[in-house]
Amino acid sequence: QVHLQESGPGLVKPSQTLSLTCTVSGGSISSGSYYWGWIRQPAGGGLEWVGRIHTSGSTNYNPSLKSRVTISVETSKNQFSLNLSSVTAADTAVYYCARDPVWGQGTLVTVSS
Amino acid sequence: DVVMTQSPLSLPVTLGQPASISCRSSQSLVLSDGNTYLNWFQQRPGQSPRRLIYRVSNRDSGVPDRFSGSGSGTDFTLKISRVEAEDVGVYYCMQGSHWPSTFGGGTTVEIK
Repeated sequence: QVHLQESGPGLVKPSQTLSLTCTVSGGSISSGSYYWGWIRQPAGGGLEWVGRIHTSGSTNYNPSLKSRVTISVETSKNQFSLNLSSVTAADTAVYYCARDPVWGQGTLVTVSS
Repeated sequence: DVVMTQSPLSLPVTLGQPASISCRSSQSLVLSDGNTYLNWFQQRPGQSPRRLIYRVSNRDSGVPDRFSGSGSGTDFTLKISRVEAEDVGVYYCMQGSHWPSTFGGGTTVEIK
């Protein structure tokens, strides 16, 4: 069974770049045909897809965030990463990495000076 | 984006009684290959979402058979045949037929 674990800074200053990593264990990130994705959830709020990357390397980003989002894979480390630039307080949320049907435990990122 | 509308917002249920959650999409989720990518998730307090149902009616491994999904086109339902205490939480539908995938606003299931 695949296990996913998010990591990264819990506090990011406004206008800076939010960077998170998802470490995959129990399986290879380059095997099969899967989407590896990032979803976020503001405190007390609903769920929003940020973006995803396919095993083939193709990416899909939420159009509402598209100009600020980059998702990439580091095959040698069995990890995939999220970069979200020019963050504001509206980007404060719990960020989850996921690959159907498995989700990580989530990591809270707060945007504040 | 496809808008997913869930009802009710809150669902108080007596233990052992059935529960039903509705989810409607703003456009059809049926793709040209015949597949319909509609999932249901459960989020217990303090936990990550857990997928219960995929492609409308398929239960994920380990999901109790009291959970069932049905529907087609734009209208979908999650049913719990007999609610147990461990079923308390927020339930979300999610469509994966059209990018960006989108979630419903959630239905909170609580015990009366």
